[in-house]
Amino acid sequence: TQLTQSPSFLSASVGDRVTITCRASQGISSYLAWYQQKPGKAPNLLIYAASTLQSGVPSRFSGSGSGTEFTLTISSLQPEDFATYYCQQFDSYPITFGQGTRLEIK
Amino acid sequence: EVQLVESGGGLVQPGGSLRLSCAASGFTFSDHYMDWVRQAPGKGLEWVGRTRKKVNSYTTEYAASVKGRFTISRDDSKNSLYLQMNSLTSEDTAVYYCTRVRSSDWNGNFFDSWGQGTLVTVSS
Repeated sequence: TQLTQSPSFLSASVGDRVTITCRASQGISSYLAWYQQKPGKAPNLLIYAASTLQSGVPSRFSGSGSGTEFTLTISSLQPEDFATYYCQQFDSYPITFGQGTRLEIK
Repeated sequence: EVQLVESGGGLVQPGGSLRLSCAASGFTFSDHYMDWVRQAPGKGLEWVGRTRKKVNSYTTEYAASVKGRFTISRDDSKNSLYLQMNSLTSEDTAVYYCTRVRSSDWNGNFFDSWGQGTLVTVSS
């Protein structure tokens, strides 16, 4: 299952509301996770099962969707949120990731 | 606290072999599927493969790009995960991450803990 994220690059300001979309090439129910990765660091789980917030993740992060279209929303960007975001499907093998969305400070 | 610590990365010539290790602590290692995920320099994440638990006969899954060349194994007595990589090419140059799968249920098939990664460079 191929995952396509849009946009690939996003420039935004602190306080902005941003949305990243992940589209699957076939239906994956709600078997989708979102990760945040900062430069030189390992990815960090944000959301799983499309909309469940991982423990310890700020509530400004939210996820939605099912089937083939999913979104990650950050309600009010904080300086520490500027990073690269990846979606991942776990509906079938091989497990696949989106190509990433790089979120930068405007 | 869950900890995953990879080791064994380094420079290897094309066609060579390398074995990566991952030492796990802070959780019951034998209860979890464990996966390897890699990231080529400046690129995105790529799933490499998985080893299941003893109750699943330690069966494995692999990405097409590594199947037949890479072997994933585990030693529950040592809380350790391994990745044996053979016939390496420049395309295998990447940071390799050891990851814990949340649960063996289909809806738990995501990575809730990651190691810091170990860099493998394939070059002559």
